[in-house]
Amino acid sequence: SQELEQSPQSLIVQEGKNLTINCTSSKTLYGLYWYKQKYGEGLIFLMMLQKGGEEKSHEKITAKLDEKKQQSSLHITASQPSHAGIYLCGAAINAGKSTFGDGTTLTVKP
Amino acid sequence: NAGVMQNPRHLVRRRGQEARLRCSPMKGHSHVYWYRQLPEEGLKFMVYLQKENIIDESGMPKERFSAEFPKEGPSILRIQQVVRGDSAAYFCASSPPGLRDTQYFGPGTRLTVL
Repeated sequence: SQELEQSPQSLIVQEGKNLTINCTSSKTLYGLYWYKQKYGEGLIFLMMLQKGGEEKSHEKITAKLDEKKQQSSLHITASQPSHAGIYLCGAAINAGKSTFGDGTTLTVKP
Repeated sequence: NAGVMQNPRHLVRRRGQEARLRCSPMKGHSHVYWYRQLPEEGLKFMVYLQKENIIDESGMPKERFSAEFPKEGPSILRIQQVVRGDSAAYFCASSPPGLRDTQYFGPGTRLTVL
């Protein structure tokens, strides 16, 4: 089965700093999703990547899927306390079924 | 267009009771998925349903858990005779026809078993 590994597991950064979260798959990715989850709340869809080399941005968050389609990175520029939360990558295994990484907990210190 | 709705948001049950979790998909979405997030663990797939059909239930525990998505009304995840280990956040997602891999998540139901 396809496994997704996220790194790091947790991250503490000073406000204003840049950071990167990685998601590595054991198999070729055909659709990679990034979600954000605030503690005790639901998942917020951030973006979806499908094509090798594809890069998408939303406000100060940029995600990229590498050419070989087995790794994705999420980059936050000039982090703010509002960026704090758990970032999850997810991938479609087959139609309708998705698997998720274990998440990266981000803390942004003011 | 309202998002995926789940209720209740918080549910407390004593061991042995039944828990019913409801999920109303986004308007126009015909596919529903249930996921469970156990404390200190990741999000795990449980079941995928279309109206009146279970498509994939490979992630459902063999006993006490069942799911349905009737022709009318919300999808229901039912847990009979709950145990403490069932305490978790249960998330529902929905997707539109033809875009089964694009899933929109609800806010989740936090089940606590005393």
